[in-house]
Amino acid sequence: AQRVTQPEKLLSVFKGAPVELKCNYSYSGSPELFWYVQYSRQRLQLLLRHISRESIKGFTADLNKGETSFHLKKPFAQEEDSAMYYCALYNQAGTALIFGKGTTLSVSS
Amino acid sequence: DAGVTQSPTHLIKTRGQQVTLRCSPISGHKSVSWYQQVLGQGPQFIFQYYEKEERGRGNFPDRFSARQFPNYSSELNVNALLLGDSALYLCASSLVSGAANTGELFFGEGSRLTVL
Repeated sequence: AQRVTQPEKLLSVFKGAPVELKCNYSYSGSPELFWYVQYSRQRLQLLLRHISRESIKGFTADLNKGETSFHLKKPFAQEEDSAMYYCALYNQAGTALIFGKGTTLSVSS
Repeated sequence: DAGVTQSPTHLIKTRGQQVTLRCSPISGHKSVSWYQQVLGQGPQFIFQYYEKEERGRGNFPDRFSARQFPNYSSELNVNALLLGDSALYLCASSLVSGAANTGELFFGEGSRLTVL
């Protein structure tokens, strides 16, 4: 079964602290993994995808097939990073994104 | 470009009624998907349409149906509403479908349905 697990409902950190949002997945084969973000009063939008191997707003995510993880990291959190973060993967047919339940990141000064 | 637009933004229905939600994709996008987001959960896939054909269906009852029009806009219909259908319904568009998908979905702001 294809599944995405985000074990933390809420992650609270101080400004300047490192951030790691956890994501584990269940998938047979090579998954296409994404992080989507929803800032307050904004629509859900793509943050980054593993295939592009890029850093967006200082965030990076590495696919670890051995641990079936795709954790999102940022070395120094900023207050504007406060948002809801969803990890997602495409189903085998490539027709549907399967989302985790999301993690709320709260960054305070 | 206004992005993906959805209407109505909010609506209230009673049990047993029917609802139609509408979505206009980004210009040039031929694929439209619908997701249901219940409070505290991630979006859950309902349907995907590409070139007016259903390409994917999630685990939802037959009370849920959708269609895509020649201009690529889409409607989601839900019949015989239940209290549990109360949710935010998200529409997303993308350039293509399936293996050739660019990967990114562009979401609308959603239609919030309350069933009383």
